[in-house]
Amino acid sequence: ILNVEQSPQSLHVQEGDSTNFTCSFPSSNFYALHWYRWETAKSPEALFVMTLNGDEKKKGRISATLNTKEGYSYLYIKGSQPEDSATYLCAFGGGSNYKLTFGKGTLLTVNP
Amino acid sequence: KAGVTQTPRYLIKTRGQQVTLSCSPISGHRSVSWYQQTPGQGLQFLFEYFSETQRNKGNFPGRFSGRQFSNSRSEMNVSTLELGDSALYLCASSLGLAGTYEQYFGPGTRLTVT
Repeated sequence: ILNVEQSPQSLHVQEGDSTNFTCSFPSSNFYALHWYRWETAKSPEALFVMTLNGDEKKKGRISATLNTKEGYSYLYIKGSQPEDSATYLCAFGGGSNYKLTFGKGTLLTVNP
Repeated sequence: KAGVTQTPRYLIKTRGQQVTLSCSPISGHRSVSWYQQTPGQGLQFLFEYFSETQRNKGNFPGRFSGRQFSNSRSEMNVSTLELGDSALYLCASSLGLAGTYEQYFGPGTRLTVT
């Protein structure tokens, strides 16, 4: 069973704060690391899919880094806004059949 | 481009019954994956179909089964429903295998077993 761990489980920040979360995953048989944002009453939506060690991706105020050798990825949000409130999921793609395994997510609440 | 659709959106069944859920992927997507979401458990992978073949299976009992048709539409079946099967069932489609390509999720089917 593949272990994908996310920390923290939940986070409360004030509007304007910058924040980051961690995703750790197996460092062997790696193919891709995904990040998704899941807002209440909506479906999960892809943020990034990263495949190369050292990859850095950015979308607006959100960015992510990837270290496949040590098995971790960071997601950063700069200047958090209330609309960033959501659960952020990471998922490890790997193994013999490129199976996608999700972590349990980090629930972010941004207070105005 | 139309998104992923799932039917029905809500379902109430009685313990012991069976249920079939349907998922229509984005046009051109060949992979469909199914997930179960329950409070505190996150997204639990059920199975993935690619070009009508089951490519991956999660750790669920044999009561959970699925299939994919030649037009990539997929169905998931749960037989002999148990109370613990109450959950949100999400399907997601992608151009290629789920581990390698961005997933596009449907709105989900909320199943309640009484």
